Amino acid sequence: GESVGLHLPTLSVQEGDNSIINCAYSNSASDYFIWYKQESGKGPQFIIDIRSNMDKRQGQRVTVLLNKTVKHLSLQIAATQPGDSAVYFCAEGSNTGGFKTIFGAGTRLFVKA
Amino acid sequence: DTGVSQDPRHKITKRGQNVTFRCDPISEHNRLYWYRQTLGQGPEFLTYFQNEAQLEKSRLLSDRFSAERPKGSFSTLEIQRTEQGDSAMYLCASSLGVGQPQHFGDGTRLSIL
Repeated sequence: GESVGLHLPTLSVQEGDNSIINCAYSNSASDYFIWYKQESGKGPQFIIDIRSNMDKRQGQRVTVLLNKTVKHLSLQIAATQPGDSAVYFCAEGSNTGGFKTIFGAGTRLFVKA
Repeated sequence: DTGVSQDPRHKITKRGQNVTFRCDPISEHNRLYWYRQTLGQGPEFLTYFQNEAQLEKSRLLSDRFSAERPKGSFSTLEIQRTEQGDSAMYLCASSLGVGQPQHFGDGTRLSIL
């Protein structure tokens, strides 16, 4: 399949370690934030979301942290697996913007077995 | 699998030709979005529908682009007089409503010769 994110920042982790992917967002009015995972040749896959009235939300093996003061979002993946290798995008939306999603620059996660 | 479906997956055409892509959203999702993605970049918002109403169009959507969702179910995106710069992946997403996660299809890859 085609490659997504040929020249993106890359994070390389050992299988079993925890991964942290960071993202800075731009719009102070954004009140909804989402993390997506994209594998080559596929569309983005929803991972987890968080609203601006929260600062932390946990899913299965994933945690999203939101720091509105510095407009920073992070995705933590516990016990990273080879299947987690992909490009990860953070995205932001706002009620006033119809919740259309504005994607940030992605990060390529490479998991070493 | 009743996810978002896009057709065709790949389209190769000569410059100047018209192309039309189709998106079938998840059943009962009333919001439908179109995005464009080029290599190394995150998806860029093009337009979205609430049922059959087109509520917002990006300035990226030139006069050569038109999108419809006539019955509030499937949608089509047409590009007239294609140009080299139109080569990209065209992604469709749908959501249950405002502030709900968007679920993406695997896109249509357009290549202009």
